[in-house]
Amino acid sequence: EAGVTQFPSHSVIEKGQTVTLRCDPISGHDNLYWYRRVMGKEIKFLLHFVKESKQDESGMPNNRFLAERTGGTYSTLKVQPAELEDSGVYFCASSLDRDRARESQYFGPGTRLTVL
Amino acid sequence: AQSVTQPDIHITVSEGASLELRCNYSYGATPYLFWYVQSPGQGLQLLLKYFSGDTLVQGIKGFEAEFKRSQSSFNLRKPSVHWSDAAEYFCAVPDNYGQNFVFGPGTRLSVLP
Repeated sequence: EAGVTQFPSHSVIEKGQTVTLRCDPISGHDNLYWYRRVMGKEIKFLLHFVKESKQDESGMPNNRFLAERTGGTYSTLKVQPAELEDSGVYFCASSLDRDRARESQYFGPGTRLTVL
Repeated sequence: AQSVTQPDIHITVSEGASLELRCNYSYGATPYLFWYVQSPGQGLQLLLKYFSGDTLVQGIKGFEAEFKRSQSSFNLRKPSVHWSDAAEYFCAVPDNYGQNFVFGPGTRLSVLP
């Protein structure tokens, strides 16, 4: 069974540009989460999808971040326009059952975003 | 709100030596506790988890952790470290609603040959 995959693994862009990160969860997993780790600080929750619906987006830092999950499969996280403080590693995770989410979140390798 | 502290930012041990990574949490009730590891270029991998019952839990790769309610701790241990254990280790608890994780800042482990 394939794990959670993320693309790209590394992205370097200039301030003001747009970047789109992609996450493919484990097949059949309804729950999809985005987290990020900025400047070596804690890994912070961004948002949670259940299928195609945003269940919780309380961690999204501002309206420059837009997450989508059309069709309830893969998800994209767009940053537009990117700022220097957006640099960090963006992790995606998925889980099978909402009620068991705390037991079974599987993480992807992350996308390292560098904004110059 | 839940919080997790990992007092040690970076630890260096010699291969074959024992290891203990500290984790303290702030949580209202009996928490669910997790340890994740991130090796270079890899995603976060679950090492072990505590939900209830025996306070000493065994995980993968020879790791174990002990839940101590009186100390609000969940320290990770390994009796003999291997060079491949060099990685960053994260302690985590679910948030108030049990859906998302609250992570500690991580401890980077270096292993000397």
